[in-house]
Amino acid sequence: QVQLVQSGAEVKKPGDSVKVSCKASGYTFTTYPMHWVRQAPGQRLEWMGWISAGSGDTICSQKFQDRLTITADTSANTAYMILSSLRSEDTAVYYCARIESTGLHFDYWGLGTLVTVSS
Amino acid sequence: QSALTQPRSVSRSPGQSVTISCTGTSSDVGGYNYVSWYQQHPGKAPKLVIYDVTERPSGVPDRFSGSKSGNTASLTISGLQADDEADYYCCSYAGSYTLVFGGGTKLTVL
Repeated sequence: QVQLVQSGAEVKKPGDSVKVSCKASGYTFTTYPMHWVRQAPGQRLEWMGWISAGSGDTICSQKFQDRLTITADTSANTAYMILSSLRSEDTAVYYCARIESTGLHFDYWGLGTLVTVSS
Repeated sequence: QSALTQPRSVSRSPGQSVTISCTGTSSDVGGYNYVSWYQQHPGKAPKLVIYDVTERPSGVPDRFSGSKSGNTASLTISGLQADDEADYYCCSYAGSYTLVFGGGTKLTVL
């Protein structure tokens, strides 16, 4: 069965960077794009970007373009989201989510990783 | 990209129906048949309930249906049950390999 297992909660200071991992199992990792979505406390879902695990190509939302890096390690079946220059507004739960192969919808989600940014 | 527009909250009684709207532009909702809907219970990850505007994943009850007219997509839930109480988010392809979510709608089943 498909599983996306994310790394644990993080506490960071303003200006730091955070790296969240998402280990995939139960399917061929390189066949499906992996996306990152975040949700600030009490707020809406916000799309951040994605990576083609097979090619390594990435697309990021313009909002995060200069601070967001998405990578994938195909040998470890793991995708990574790195957000730099953190500020308090980046406090959120960060989800990885797989895009279904024939469409543009998320069929599997990780459980989320809480990133808290506080001085 | 601006978030798609959804009503902040709706409430209905058990057994009733509800329709939640999701309004975008011709660059997202109106331009593609790639609108999906997600149900999110508190503290949980979102769950897909509708994709490609009208399609329902296996395991999702046929009480859930989707439609689209112009720049507005809609999710209809009929025969409301207590467990349908959740936040609902629409999501649309927005061109150039990007996606955009709606602001979310809190559904209360009282």
